[in-house]
Amino acid sequence: QSVLTQPPSVSAAPGQKVTISCSGSSSNIGNNYVSWYQQLPGTAPKLLVFENNKRPSGIPDRFSGSKSGTSATLGITGLQTGDEADYYCGTWDSSLNFLFGGGTKLTVL
Amino acid sequence: QVQLVESGGGLVKPGGSLRLSCATSGFIFSDYFMAWFRQAPGKGLEWVSSIRRTNTYYTNYADSLRGRFTISRDNTKNSLYLQMNSLRVEDTAVYYCARFGGDSEGKWWFDPWGQGTLVTVSS
Repeated sequence: QSVLTQPPSVSAAPGQKVTISCSGSSSNIGNNYVSWYQQLPGTAPKLLVFENNKRPSGIPDRFSGSKSGTSATLGITGLQTGDEADYYCGTWDSSLNFLFGGGTKLTVL
Repeated sequence: QVQLVESGGGLVKPGGSLRLSCATSGFIFSDYFMAWFRQAPGKGLEWVSSIRRTNTYYTNYADSLRGRFTISRDNTKNSLYLQMNSLRVEDTAVYYCARFGGDSEGKWWFDPWGQGTLVTVSS
């Protein structure tokens, strides 16, 4: 059972928009920054968003992050079949342990 | 370009030990904190341990692993290590190393990640 709660799965049609939520508490998301990771099938995780809403170079602006209080959200617009992957949110707790959400499987119908 | 390459995984019996390595290149290794993660088959990501710039500085471990796993680094070899002792079946996973990003506590993120090395604990 993960401390950070994500929906197990989300789905949408190509070209549409999807959001993935990540719910935590004041001891983790509420007082720290959130990062998001994409894991394509059979590959290593890849950083998508850092410091709540910043994108690394090379990540298209179709991907966006936001945080409000003890929750964070990853948004993906203009969905492509290549976006099918598992998505994980992550943040720190007060003991400097890094926490992941349970992961969300995105299906592009 | 920045590269992280894990090695040392394999099949080990319960109670056995294994030492994973993460060879890095393309950046000044001694300038960065580093971390290990793992992912059990079909499961989510789990943070294992982190280490600051030198071994004499801060290390941290997931509570469930403290005492069995030891993280270390050799800045002269640009390498990160994970010594795993008293291995259990539930330690079976792909183990990834990753580099820290960010400049302060609570902001850190992880990028890039290595390709992973599979550890299988089975009799």
